[in-house]
Amino acid sequence: EVQLLESGGDLAQPGESLRLSCVASGFAFGTYAMSWVRQAPGKGLEWLSAISGDTTGIYYADSVKGRFTISRDNSKDTLYLQMNSLRADDTAIYYCVKYKGNPPFFDVWGQGTMVTVSS
Amino acid sequence: DIQMTQSPSTLSASVGDRVTITCRASESISNRLAWYQQKPGKAPKLLIYMASSLESGVPSRFSGSGSGTEFTLTVSSLQPEDFATYYCQQYKSYSVTFGGGTKVETK
Repeated sequence: EVQLLESGGDLAQPGESLRLSCVASGFAFGTYAMSWVRQAPGKGLEWLSAISGDTTGIYYADSVKGRFTISRDNSKDTLYLQMNSLRADDTAIYYCVKYKGNPPFFDVWGQGTMVTVSS
Repeated sequence: DIQMTQSPSTLSASVGDRVTITCRASESISNRLAWYQQKPGKAPKLLIYMASSLESGVPSRFSGSGSGTEFTLTVSSLQPEDFATYYCQQYKSYSVTFGGGTKVETK
């Protein structure tokens, strides 16, 4: 069974940093592009960042470019999101998502991890 | 960025109803459109990809159509478990965008 398990969500103060992790299982992690998507409380879905399987392609939404960094360790089947200079509007559930197909769409989502930014 | 506009934002329906949700793209995305269902407290679930291809395991009462800039998701006979929020998503590139969502609630 394909599974994505996020962790690292926490309460942070404005300006602080957090690193989210997503451990994948049930598929050949290194051959698939992965992404992070967030959802603020009561709001819709916002794509944040994507990384190709071989890490040669990395993409960011304008809202997080320069503050967030996506990376992956294929030897550990793990995706990361380093979040710096956190702001109150970064408060959201953060989902790890697997791409499928060409062009790629999302076929598997993790359960999400909650990030709260508040003083 | 490609903007995705969903309508309606809320839809009141009864079990057995035929329900249609519309999604419009700000530019042509060919058939690079997916639909997701999200229930409260849960992650989104893929229903439809490539505008009209049904994901494995998804009931056949769900169907998608359209190409270019206008797309629809139809539920032929709404079931109790279908009350949820539905999102469209374009994937013309890795930089995807979502529609604002349509909440299907009980009439």
